[in-house]
Amino acid sequence: AQSVAQPEDQVNVAEGNPLTVKCTYSVSGNPYLFWYVQYPNRGLQFLLKYITGDNLVKGSYGFEAEFNKSQTSFHLKKPSALVSDSALYFCAVRDILYGKLTFGQGTILTVHP
Amino acid sequence: GEEVAQTPKHLVRGEGQKAKLYCAPIKGHSYVFWYQQVLKNEFKFLISFQNENVFDETGMPKERFSAKCLPNSPCSLEIQATKLEDSAVYFCASSQSWGESTDTQYFGPGTRLTVL
Repeated sequence: AQSVAQPEDQVNVAEGNPLTVKCTYSVSGNPYLFWYVQYPNRGLQFLLKYITGDNLVKGSYGFEAEFNKSQTSFHLKKPSALVSDSALYFCAVRDILYGKLTFGQGTILTVHP
Repeated sequence: GEEVAQTPKHLVRGEGQKAKLYCAPIKGHSYVFWYQQVLKNEFKFLISFQNENVFDETGMPKERFSAKCLPNSPCSLEIQATKLEDSAVYFCASSQSWGESTDTQYFGPGTRLTVL
């Protein structure tokens, strides 16, 4: 069975500093990995995905993620955090056969002014 | 439409009552997925459709939950005889098709179900 772990419940960074939200995965075969963001009382917004190709994936709002096969990680990064980036972030892996997403437990990102 | 639409936004039911939730996928999207988000932000997959056909129902509690996607109608998720533990936010997502470039699932705003 596939799984995703987000080891940090909360991440706090100062505005302007780089941010990293961690994600590790466990799958058999090639992973199909996604990052979503959820603002309060809103649905999930797609940020970026890794299917194949370059290990550094660029996405929406200046976010990027680095796929590392040897460490089975897919960490979300941004060079300079904004207060408006404060939200709940989910890493997910897609089932190869039927496409359902398995989510991590979520990481609350707080960016302080 | 350009976004996944879900209705209603909020639904309150007494224990034992029926609840019905609706989802209109993005126009042109063939796949619809239902997820349940419970306490502590945990997501649970329920069921998916390829057009009007059930694609994967491995997450459905079959005793009380049912779902349909009929042509020219919103998809629906119905819970018969709701229980307190059904209180959650139910999300619908749609994707265009099956392939590397078109498999991104886009989520609706969710329906918050409260069972009293």
